[in-house]
Amino acid sequence: RKEVEQDPGPFNVPEGATVAFNCTYSNSASQSFFWYRQDCRKEPKLLMSVYSSGNEDGRFTAQLNRASQYISLLIRDSKLSDSATYLCVVRKAGTALIFGKGTTLSVSS
Amino acid sequence: DADVTQTPRNRITKTGKRIMLECSQTKGHDRMYWYRQDPGLGLRLIYYSFDVKDINKGEISDGYSVSRQAQAKFSLSLESAIPNQTALYFCATSDSRQGGNNQPQHFGDGTRLSIL
Repeated sequence: RKEVEQDPGPFNVPEGATVAFNCTYSNSASQSFFWYRQDCRKEPKLLMSVYSSGNEDGRFTAQLNRASQYISLLIRDSKLSDSATYLCVVRKAGTALIFGKGTTLSVSS
Repeated sequence: DADVTQTPRNRITKTGKRIMLECSQTKGHDRMYWYRQDPGLGLRLIYYSFDVKDINKGEISDGYSVSRQAQAKFSLSLESAIPNQTALYFCATSDSRQGGNNQPQHFGDGTRLSIL
């Protein structure tokens, strides 16, 4: 089983839609969790960290369920500029980040 | 100026050649990483370094070597390149003093490497 697994996608949604991405991780020792965004042929960039209590940044909401080893990202009121690949990322203490394969989102007008 | 700079940005070379990819950073971060990205496989960790001369293998280190002689530089070498090492390579940095376990990684623009 891969350490980090994500919805395969792609997700094709109209502007204004709400879309949710899910991610599971296999190592219960994982301590840090993130969502990164990657545009085509560009470098990944941090979108947001994910905290146990859940956190929100504008239209983006991230949630973590440690018991189920499950992470989610909710995007409300999708914009054309949200089109990208979203990477679920985890880290065990003292190690490097482990990336999921990513889920591609395409928002259309 | 980019904080994390990778050189070259693109490289085409032949099987069997020795290749070196360079990464330099002006962020003052202590930790540096090398990843490769292949279509459908996502980002995979090759090597990482938490300090000068500290070297750790990642998920796919075979066929690669690295050097960290200075805090600002982390180079990746392919001793004898083979076609299945064709990929997009990313260098990243992070600062162990920032955010504890939530320290983010900052990526360079990537090096597109093609082995013929």
